[in-house]
Amino acid sequence: SQTIHQWPATLVQPVGSPLSLECTVEGTSNPNLYWYRQAAGRGLQLLFYSIGIDQISSEVPQNLSASRPQDRQFILSSKKLLLSDSGFYLCAWSALRMKKKAFFGQGTRLTVV
Amino acid sequence: DQQVKQNSPSLSVQEGRISILNCDYTNSMFDYFLWYKKYPAEGPTFLISISSIKDKNEDGRFTVFLNKSAKHLSLHIVPSQPGDSAVYFCAASGTYNFNKFYFGSGTKLNVKP
Repeated sequence: SQTIHQWPATLVQPVGSPLSLECTVEGTSNPNLYWYRQAAGRGLQLLFYSIGIDQISSEVPQNLSASRPQDRQFILSSKKLLLSDSGFYLCAWSALRMKKKAFFGQGTRLTVV
Repeated sequence: DQQVKQNSPSLSVQEGRISILNCDYTNSMFDYFLWYKKYPAEGPTFLISISSIKDKNEDGRFTVFLNKSAKHLSLHIVPSQPGDSAVYFCAASGTYNFNKFYFGSGTKLNVKP
């Protein structure tokens, strides 16, 4: 069966510090991968989308970047965090043969102080 | 510009009654719609979906209705149970855009015992 792992679960970082959140998927190959953010009191905003290694599209202009160094690994990064980067970050994967469902990780609560 | 909208941020229902959650979308190219359930500090979990070729899909206590002409979908939960209390997100995707999933802002359902 397929599983998705996302870490860390919580993170408190000072303004101006770097960020690296990691997500890995097991049990499937060539998944579509996503990074979403849920800001306080808001919905899920799509940040990045990837259909393959080094194939990443950004949905919104922002202070963050994403990389996919391996087929089932998706990394969300920032060189210098802003207060507005605080939120709940979710990694997800999907595959067409799974009837187009997206499956989510447990999320990372990021607080920038 | 939000392509998927949930205009009711919260809904309170008595146990045993019907819960109706609504969702509207603007992009006529969307061809697949999903509902997710989310508890605090966790990732969303898939609940039920519907393809644009159908107008109804049922799974146990959960039924999703799709009105393509109105660009509207709804989730019915009958009977509602206290364990259904959570935030419900609707999402939409389209084959034309490589199945990116766009989410609404969520509706917080509270089922009172």
